[in-house]
Amino acid sequence: DTGVSQDPRHKITKRGQNVTFRCDPISEHNRLYWYRQTLGQGPEFLTYFQNEAQLEKSRLLSDRFSAERPKGSFSTLEIQRTEQGDSAMYLCASSSGQANTGELFFGEGSRLTVL
Amino acid sequence: AQKITQTQPGMFVQEKEAVTLDCTYDTSDQSYGLFWYKQPSSGEMIFLIYQGSYDEQNATEGRYSLNFQKARKSANLVISASQLGDSAMYFCAMRESMNTGFQKLVFGTGTRLLVSP
Repeated sequence: DTGVSQDPRHKITKRGQNVTFRCDPISEHNRLYWYRQTLGQGPEFLTYFQNEAQLEKSRLLSDRFSAERPKGSFSTLEIQRTEQGDSAMYLCASSSGQANTGELFFGEGSRLTVL
Repeated sequence: AQKITQTQPGMFVQEKEAVTLDCTYDTSDQSYGLFWYKQPSSGEMIFLIYQGSYDEQNATEGRYSLNFQKARKSANLVISASQLGDSAMYFCAMRESMNTGFQKLVFGTGTRLLVSP
């Protein structure tokens, strides 16, 4: 399968712990996005990478959140000192930026539950 | 700021019938793009259809068509000949600008579609 893959699919953690999610985009895509989706809502933009450069960050991305894409391939999203409000689905998406529509290809998400 | 409104929390349709999912949007941009995504229970967001603000014809992709009414700022999704596998959440989204280097999508709250036999 050559789609966007995310790991882990599910994570349960206690408040105050750190968690890290990994995203492997479609191999030829140089653009990578992180979105967060809470229950009953649509996805909300968190951050954007073009190759290894993080070019956009949402105000939703507090200081406890950090994202990297060290070699312009996979990306990690780390949440430090998790809070119950961080419970959500974290979606990764990638694109080539060349399609006329600019559609994003999403992974199946990493669901975080903070107890 | 751009905003997407989906007023139907849930819709029911019988297999083989057509269904329309509503979407209205608000933007001050002249150039924008509108998307529909499907999200099954697995969680993945699946791209269905795209409409550019300057496209003169309504977009179609197989059983999906987008009823684009620019003056009314609506972009309704029409699914013809519904199938059981169409049961899922459906999200309308808008791209904030036409800078194709950065695709920030703004999503609505979604509509849950249930298709019955």
